Amino acid sequence: SSELTQDPAVSVALGQTVRITCQGASLRSYYATWYQQKPQQAPLLVIYGKNNRPSGIPDRFSGSSSGNTASLTITGAQAEDEADYYCNSRDSSGNHVWVFGGGTKLTVL
Amino acid sequence: QVQLVQSGAEVKKPGASVKVSCEASGYTFTTYAMHWVRQAPGQRLEWMGWINVGNGDTKCSQKFQDRVTITRDTSTSTAYMELSSLRSEDTAVYYCARVAYGLGSYSFDYWGQGTLVTVSS
Repeated sequence: SSELTQDPAVSVALGQTVRITCQGASLRSYYATWYQQKPQQAPLLVIYGKNNRPSGIPDRFSGSSSGNTASLTITGAQAEDEADYYCNSRDSSGNHVWVFGGGTKLTVL
Repeated sequence: QVQLVQSGAEVKKPGASVKVSCEASGYTFTTYAMHWVRQAPGQRLEWMGWINVGNGDTKCSQKFQDRVTITRDTSTSTAYMELSSLRSEDTAVYYCARVAYGLGSYSFDYWGQGTLVTVSS
């Protein structure tokens, strides 16, 4: 089965821009989706498709993709953006399975 | 509004089974797939499997293939995940999540609140 690889931790100064990346073979076939998870909470969908935000997600969150790498960018990071971020996609093996990345802990300084 | 409400916390002994339920409301239950994801304490999200709620077909991660059973009851709009032969490493929060397909991707757009399963002798 394919894997999705994320950096374990990233930090950003308040108000600055940060990019969180996700690499995997399945991303050549399927868009990544991105989830934000704060402590003791269920994950929250923040980006899906090419670059789509569900209702209620601030427009400082954006997504992009190139080859086997997907990126989540937060432009003007806020203190409330401090959280774990996970990427996810369907596996490209044809086995109808899904996979999550290992997660990136974002610290806003 | 869409809601997924899961059953309460469970404490099980090693070797036992646990069955977690996920009651859906606010949408047509049979038109969306339901997936199960777990998260051990301090660990990553781990995809377990899914059910095509419309026809009942299921697919599970190879890691859980022999131990997990996913079912649904369309009369009560409830999905179930049963995990057998529990061991301490199965201690985790188990989530159900609705999956939608649109704009080129599958997205887990609504999640249950999570069910803590503790396996301890």
